[in-house]
Amino acid sequence: DVKVTQSSRYLVKRTGEKVFLECVQDMDHENMFWYRQDPGLGLRLIYFSYDVKMKEKGDIPEGYSVSREKKERFSLILESASTNQTSMYLCASSGPSPAVSTDTQYFGPGTRLTVL
Amino acid sequence: QQQVKQSPQSLIVQKGGISIINCAYENTAFDYFPWYQQFPGKGPALLIAIRPDVSEKKEGRFTISFNKSAKQFSLHIMDSQPGDSATYFCAGNYGQNFVFGPGTRLSVLP
Repeated sequence: DVKVTQSSRYLVKRTGEKVFLECVQDMDHENMFWYRQDPGLGLRLIYFSYDVKMKEKGDIPEGYSVSREKKERFSLILESASTNQTSMYLCASSGPSPAVSTDTQYFGPGTRLTVL
Repeated sequence: QQQVKQSPQSLIVQKGGISIINCAYENTAFDYFPWYQQFPGKGPALLIAIRPDVSEKKEGRFTISFNKSAKQFSLHIMDSQPGDSATYFCAGNYGQNFVFGPGTRLSVLP
């Protein structure tokens, strides 16, 4: 059974803190994604990675960075958390070819981050 | 041109009724149109998907209708059940570029 896990289900941080969100997939997928989900806005892509050490900006990368040192792990970093980054963060993976548009994205359970 | 519009925002249906969610897209590069289902506390999961060379796809109680010329597609849930209560997202995709609609919260009353 495919699995995408996220390090925390709930996280509370203070403004200005550095925040790490971790995502691990066990499907040997090349592609990994970070989204944020807000009511009425759906899923918005923050960053994605199609290979180890490769990353591409999504629609809303400002205030975020990512790291992919190993194929199975994709980290989202908030360098200095702000209250407008309070949201649900979803990680997803897909594989194996970027050219195959019928790849299914498999999502993790999400991390609900609150920045005070 | 990236946007995928989705309506209604919320939907209440009686058990046994038909639930219909509509989506419209602008980007003609999209070549795959998945629907995701998300239960509270869970991540979205693929429900059903269609490619634009097909006008309809049915899997059990779930049917996608696709109108390429109008750039519209819809999800029909027949004989809706309380267990179908969830948020539904449509999406358009090409390559690894997924664009999601804002979601529809479906409530099926017993």
